[in-house]
Amino acid sequence: EAGVAQSPRYKIIEKRQSVAFWCNPISGHATLYWYQQILGQGPKLLIQFQNNGVVDDSQLPKDRFSAERLKGVDSTLKIQPAKLEDSAVYLCASSRTSGTDEAFFGQGTRLTVV
Amino acid sequence: AQSVTQLDSQVPVFEEAPVELRCNYSSSVSVYLFWYVQYPNQGLQLLLKYLSGSTLVKGINGFEAEFNKSQTSFHLRKPSVHISDTAEYFCAVSAAGNKLTFGGGTRVLVKP
Repeated sequence: EAGVAQSPRYKIIEKRQSVAFWCNPISGHATLYWYQQILGQGPKLLIQFQNNGVVDDSQLPKDRFSAERLKGVDSTLKIQPAKLEDSAVYLCASSRTSGTDEAFFGQGTRLTVV
Repeated sequence: AQSVTQLDSQVPVFEEAPVELRCNYSSSVSVYLFWYVQYPNQGLQLLLKYLSGSTLVKGINGFEAEFNKSQTSFHLRKPSVHISDTAEYFCAVSAAGNKLTFGGGTRVLVKP
């Protein structure tokens, strides 16, 4: 079974630029999560999708972050414009359903904003 | 709202010694509890989970955790650690089957 795929692995951008991350979840997984992990902290949920609908985006900074899940499969997370404090690892995870099932994580995208 | 507190940010331990990582949670509804491990430059991997039933849960790599509802805790233990257990460990909670909330993590450094 293929795991959760994320790209790119690393990205360096200047502040005020835009950036996009891509995630391909495990086939058949209805739930997809995007987490932000700042160095030295635990992952913070940005947005949770159930199929192609948003379940929770309460911690997503909507003035600069956006996310979509196309046809309930792949997902993209965009930041526009980026700030220095957005430097973090962005993790994508998927699970069969939410709550009780194990969430499988990708290796993440490390974003550095300079 | 749900939250998770991991009381130790770092735990140094000698090889073959036991280790305990502490986790406390708060939630107004029933919860499911998880421990994940993150090895250097890798994604998070599930160690074990508690959904219901026996309060002592066994996971991979010799780890186990005990759910204590009265103390709202889910501490992780291993009786004898190896160098390869050096990693960061995250406790997580899902309340009422919804979003997965993580604690701040505990970095375990196993010394020879």
